[in-house]
Amino acid sequence: DAGVIQSPRHEVTEMGQEVTLRCKPISGHDYLFWYRQTMMRGLELLIYFNNNVPIDDSGMPEDRFSAKMPNASFSTLKIQPSEPRDSAVYFCASRPQGSGSPLHFGNGTRLTVT
Amino acid sequence: QKEVEQDPGPLSVPEGAIVSLNCTYSNSAFQYFMWYRQYSRKGPELLMYTYSSGNKEDGRFTAQVDKSSKYISLFIRDSQPSDSATYLCAMKGAQKLVFGQGTRLTINP
Repeated sequence: DAGVIQSPRHEVTEMGQEVTLRCKPISGHDYLFWYRQTMMRGLELLIYFNNNVPIDDSGMPEDRFSAKMPNASFSTLKIQPSEPRDSAVYFCASRPQGSGSPLHFGNGTRLTVT
Repeated sequence: QKEVEQDPGPLSVPEGAIVSLNCTYSNSAFQYFMWYRQYSRKGPELLMYTYSSGNKEDGRFTAQVDKSSKYISLFIRDSQPSDSATYLCAMKGAQKLVFGQGTRLTINP
């Protein structure tokens, strides 16, 4: 099992540019989550999907952030336009059905907006 | 008040010491309790998983849950330099998983 795969591992961009982060969940996992991690705020849930359908996007900071899951094996998180305060590590995680099933995380995308 | 409180540390101990990491929480609906370990520049990985109250042991690691006190602990025996990482507690009821801030642990050879 390859685990959750995220790309790119690092992204450096200028303020105002569009950023797209990508995630491939573990095959067979029905839930996909996007988290953001900073020193100040820790891990924050941005949005999660169940069977490709967005269920809760209340953690998305503002309209500049959007996420899609066009099929069971791919999801994107887009920031447009990006701002310096978006600099963080963005994690994708997935899990199977079952309320208590633990999350499996990717290794994250480290985003720096200058 | 945060739903889950965890001392961010940092915590530094000598090799071989017993390490105790703790979290408190306020939501009595939490039933699933987890500890994740995160190495530098990696994603969190599940270390221990406990349902409801009680103890669970796995090698050098022991997880304890005290629901009456809303307090969970992770003990590491015979700590090794390879245990140096950030440890995050996480817990869940019927809704979404809530993480603690994480405790940064260093084991000194």
